[in-house]
Amino acid sequence: DSGVTQTPKHLITATGQRVTLRCSPRSGDLSVYWYQQSLDQGLQFLIQYYNGEERAKGNILERFSAQQFPDLHSELNLSSLELGDSALYFCASSPTDRHYGYTFGSGTRLTVV
Amino acid sequence: ELKVEQNPLFLSMQEGKNYTIYCNYSTTSDRLYWYRQDPGKSLESLFVLLSNGAVKQEGRLMASLDTKARLSTLHITAAVHDLSATYFCAVAPYNNNDMRFGAGTRLTVKP
Repeated sequence: DSGVTQTPKHLITATGQRVTLRCSPRSGDLSVYWYQQSLDQGLQFLIQYYNGEERAKGNILERFSAQQFPDLHSELNLSSLELGDSALYFCASSPTDRHYGYTFGSGTRLTVV
Repeated sequence: ELKVEQNPLFLSMQEGKNYTIYCNYSTTSDRLYWYRQDPGKSLESLFVLLSNGAVKQEGRLMASLDTKARLSTLHITAAVHDLSATYFCAVAPYNNNDMRFGAGTRLTVKP
């Protein structure tokens, strides 16, 4: 157990729907990062939050959004889902804004049918 | 834009042999990471390399960094079956947390 908790582990939904993925960072970590892993795109950085504020943005689609709450957990919202959004979504956390160590969660496998 | 290239993408080795995985990146960086991923599992941090000439070793794996050449290597010594996994390098550019991953090297160690 890495200490980073992601729920749910698996999610199957239909095209056009909206889902929310949840991440609880390791105790004491203030930064949360979201990554998408798919067969065709590989591992892609989506977005980072530090202590409730957005700090860095990667290849995140406009249909996707995220936030980090006062208790430091984060949610990634995916809307108007398409088949191509099927992927493994990872959350990682680190103690500070720009840190040398990241801890990854076990991921949420999203299947859009 | 930062690009990270790994090679080879697929590697099949015999147990007991040595091999090297290469990671090239296109822009200056102060952090380079190596991760291991087993099928369907999360990413496990192996090494963090922070400076030119850095070398780190853990068991049969050794990673090095040449920032001038923008090249990192992951050397496998006397491979064993347990090392079968996908290995990723990842690079974070200066002043940016947009960490970019290589495509990964799928390593299979055969008896």
